Amino acid sequence: AQSVTQPDIHITVSEGASLELRCNYSYGATPYLFWYVQSPGQGLQLLLKYFSGDTLVQGIKGFEAEFKRSQSSFNLRKPSVHWSDAAEYFCAVGLSMEYGNKLVFGAGTILRVKS
Amino acid sequence: DTEVTQTPKHLVMGMTNKKSLKCEQHMGHRAMYWYKQKAKKPPELMFVYSYEKLSINESVPSRFSPECPNSSLLNLHLHALQPEDSALYLCASSRQADSYEQYFGPGTRLTVT
Repeated sequence: AQSVTQPDIHITVSEGASLELRCNYSYGATPYLFWYVQSPGQGLQLLLKYFSGDTLVQGIKGFEAEFKRSQSSFNLRKPSVHWSDAAEYFCAVGLSMEYGNKLVFGAGTILRVKS
Repeated sequence: DTEVTQTPKHLVMGMTNKKSLKCEQHMGHRAMYWYKQKAKKPPELMFVYSYEKLSINESVPSRFSPECPNSSLLNLHLHALQPEDSALYLCASSRQADSYEQYFGPGTRLTVT
C-alpha cells in the first residue's frame, strides 16, 4: 500500500543547530514528493517539492531536501534553525491517477526549538 | 496572487444547525479540495473538484455537502453534524487534479456543540 512514514513524532533542537527530519515512502512508481509546514491553527505551506531531476532540492526559508531512491527517503534539512521554524512538518507523496491523484501525508513531526 | 482564502476563521454550531464554509482562490486553478484535520493528525482528504465537477468523495457522510459554484469558489455545507466532526477544515487548490502541488488556505476551526 502507498504510505508515508515520518518516524519522529517530536524533535527538539537548539536555535542555530542543524536539523534533519526523516521521511520514508512506500510507492511503486516514481514519486512526487513534498514537504509542508504548518504553524499552530494555520493552513499548510509548501516548503519544497521533488518531481524529477536533481535529487537535492532547495525550498523556501532555507530548507532543502534530498531524494534517495535506494532508501525510499526524502529527508528535510536546514543548516541553522531559527526559533520561528518551530511548527509541524508534513511529508507527502502525490499518487498517480490509478491511485486517485491524491496527496498522502505522513503523520507529521513537531519541531520544537529551544533557545 | 498565491492565496487561498477561507471564511469563517472560526465556527461554533449546534448539532441541529445548518452552516456553510467558503473557500476562494484566484490563481486560475481548476482543482479544489476539502480536507479535515483533527488535532495532532495529518489532513484527511474529503472531496476533490476538478473543473467544477466532483471527482473524488472519500466516503464522507452526507451531512457534509460540497458545492463548486464556479472555478474560483468552493463551499462545504454542513447539516446535523456530530461533536466528533469538530476539526480544522482546510481548503486547497492546484492547477489541475494531477498537479499535486496544492496551495492551502488557513482553515476554518469548527466546533460542534
